[in-house]
Amino acid sequence: QQPVQSPQAVILREGEDAVINCSSSKALYSVHWYRQKHGEAPIFLMILLKGGEQKGHDKISASFNEKKQQSSLYLTASQLSYSGTYFCGTALKGTGANNLFFGTGTRLTVIP
Amino acid sequence: DGGITQSPKYLFRKEGQNVTLSCEQNLNHDAMYWYRQDPGQGLRLIYYSQIVNDFQKGDIAEGYSVSREKKESFPLTVTSAQKNPTAFYLCASSIVARESGYTFGSGTRLTVV
Repeated sequence: QQPVQSPQAVILREGEDAVINCSSSKALYSVHWYRQKHGEAPIFLMILLKGGEQKGHDKISASFNEKKQQSSLYLTASQLSYSGTYFCGTALKGTGANNLFFGTGTRLTVIP
Repeated sequence: DGGITQSPKYLFRKEGQNVTLSCEQNLNHDAMYWYRQDPGQGLRLIYYSQIVNDFQKGDIAEGYSVSREKKESFPLTVTSAQKNPTAFYLCASSIVARESGYTFGSGTRLTVV
C-alpha cells in the first residue's frame, strides 16, 4: 500500500529543475505532497484530487494521472530553500478514510 | 496561533518500560494520526482517530496503544511489547474531509537505552 517514490535522492545547482515521481499499486482518491527539513515537521505543499489535475504555487507544481496511479512533483528554477525531503502521501479509493500512505521520500539538495 | 504540540522532543526509555508521547492540537480538527519515521522507510501509520472515543489501527499498531478522550488530545503509549521502538514519532491532524491536508507536530525522538 506504500507508494514508491523516485529518485531516492537528487542534487541540484540553484536554478536547475527536478521531477519527483510517486507511483501506487492501488487506485487513488488523492495525492498529497509534503516537504520536511531535517528534524522538523513535514509541511503540506498541495493536494491533487482529480485525475489530470495540475496544481502549483511559486515554482513548485504537481500533476496527478489517476489512470496510471501516479503523481509527479515539479520543481523549477530551484532555490536553496527547496532543500529537504519530499514525501508523497496517498489516500486510497474505496476506503472512505483520510489516512495517508506515505512514500519513502526523495532527498533534494540544492547547492549554490 | 493554532498548531500541534508534541512533547517531549527527546525521550529516552529503558528496555521493558512503557512510555507515553503527548500530542495536543488547537486547530479544532476531528482527525488525528500517529506515524513512525525510520531512516529510508518514510512514514508508517500506527493509529488514527476520526472522532473522540474511536480509533483505528494502522499498518504497524503492534506494541502501541492510544486513547482519544478529548478532541484536542491523542496520546501514544509505546509499550514494552514493541520490539524496536527507537524512532522519530510524528503526530498529525486534519479535518475529516478527504480534501484536506495534514498539519504535523514537530515530532518526538524516542531512544531505547
